[in-house]
Amino acid sequence: NAGVTQTPKFRILKIGQSMTLQCTQDMNHNYMYWYRQDPGMGLKLIYYSVGAGITDKGEVPNGYNVSRSTTEDFPLRLELAAPSQTSVYFCASSNSGGGYTFGSGTRLTVV
Amino acid sequence: DAKTTQPNSMESNEEEPVHLPCNHSTISGTDYIHWYRQLPSQGPEYVIHGLTSNVNNRMASLAIAEDRKSSTLILHRATLRDAAVYYCILRSPQGGSEKLVFGKGTKLTVNP
Repeated sequence: NAGVTQTPKFRILKIGQSMTLQCTQDMNHNYMYWYRQDPGMGLKLIYYSVGAGITDKGEVPNGYNVSRSTTEDFPLRLELAAPSQTSVYFCASSNSGGGYTFGSGTRLTVV
Repeated sequence: DAKTTQPNSMESNEEEPVHLPCNHSTISGTDYIHWYRQLPSQGPEYVIHGLTSNVNNRMASLAIAEDRKSSTLILHRATLRDAAVYYCILRSPQGGSEKLVFGKGTKLTVNP
């Protein structure tokens, strides 16, 4: 099992550009989550999904969008990148009540 | 979301046991107690979770108080690789999201 796979691992964006962070899991987990972690800080929830076709906002959703067309994939879209979105992004998945499995992260810099 | 309280930092010596405490006095009857750790420059890693009974796995043990208002993560023999930030988080199946809300955690330093 690959677990949770995130791509790309690193990316530099210019202000105003857009990009999609990819997240795929092969564990048939219903729940998927996107977090961001700013330097020296804790993780903050951006968006989550409890199943295909269902998404909802977390603590810091502004500037982001998500979709969940399949159980496996949960891409995070950044529109009009801003320097405040410079962060490390983690995707995670789980089943109900169980432990989360996290991806290795995408380090994004907006300049 | 029910909150947890952890010490900001703890220190241990290599090959000694480590007991990481967590208080969660407002825990509800259906909340699971989860522990994760984050090594420097890495993503969070699941350690262990439990509901009422003590739990053991290859990484650690989780001791849950009888009233469930506190718990302790036990690393039986700390190694240098165990130096990380440890997060104690309550996961509620109510409300549907079952999201984890990360606090600041406990930074564990392991001395050689």
